[in-house]
Amino acid sequence: QKEVEQDPGPLSVPEGAIVSLNCTYSNSAFQYFMWYRQYSRKGPELLMYTYSSGNKEDGRFTAQVDKSSKYISLFIRDSQPSDSATYLCAMSFPYYGNNRLAFGKGNQVVVIP
Amino acid sequence: SQTIHQWPATLVQPVGSPLSLECTVEGTSNPNLYWYRQAAGRGLQLLFYSVGIGQISSEVPQNLSASRPQDRQFILSSKKLLLSDSGFYLCAWSSSGGPGDEQFFGPGTRLTVL
Repeated sequence: QKEVEQDPGPLSVPEGAIVSLNCTYSNSAFQYFMWYRQYSRKGPELLMYTYSSGNKEDGRFTAQVDKSSKYISLFIRDSQPSDSATYLCAMSFPYYGNNRLAFGKGNQVVVIP
Repeated sequence: SQTIHQWPATLVQPVGSPLSLECTVEGTSNPNLYWYRQAAGRGLQLLFYSVGIGQISSEVPQNLSASRPQDRQFILSSKKLLLSDSGFYLCAWSSSGGPGDEQFFGPGTRLTVL
């Protein structure tokens, strides 16, 4: 079983819809959870970062963490064509003084105008 | 503000040729530096990380090597490229080795080995 599971999609939604993405993980040692957005042929950019169970909002984006179920989600409200990208979940835990990230494979999202 | 640069942006190389990819970070001191490879449908694979000048840790046995000759410079190399080395190479940095530190990625180098 891989450490981080993320259904690669792709996911197509009409403009204005809510996008829902999720990842599951197996290692209960993970403490920090991130979502990256990656446009085609570009490097990933950090979108959301959280370390506790519950919800964190930033504009149209909400990151949700459920440590008891080992499940994290990203919601995008009022989706825009500019949200079309690949979204990668990532998580880390203390490892000999370094932050080793485990990534999901990424979820390609297409927002149709 | 901190910025991270990678070059070249795109590279096409024949099998058996050498490789040198460069990454530099500006606006921070003593960063942790990382090299990742992203292959289609396979996510991000950590290749090397460095916590300081001359200090390199390798994550997977492979045809590649890394060096850190200066605090904010990280180089990925190969003496002889293989077809399987094709992919999107990403450099990243974090401010320290703390487990909660975010990693920030460069623009990437797309390598095609023919």
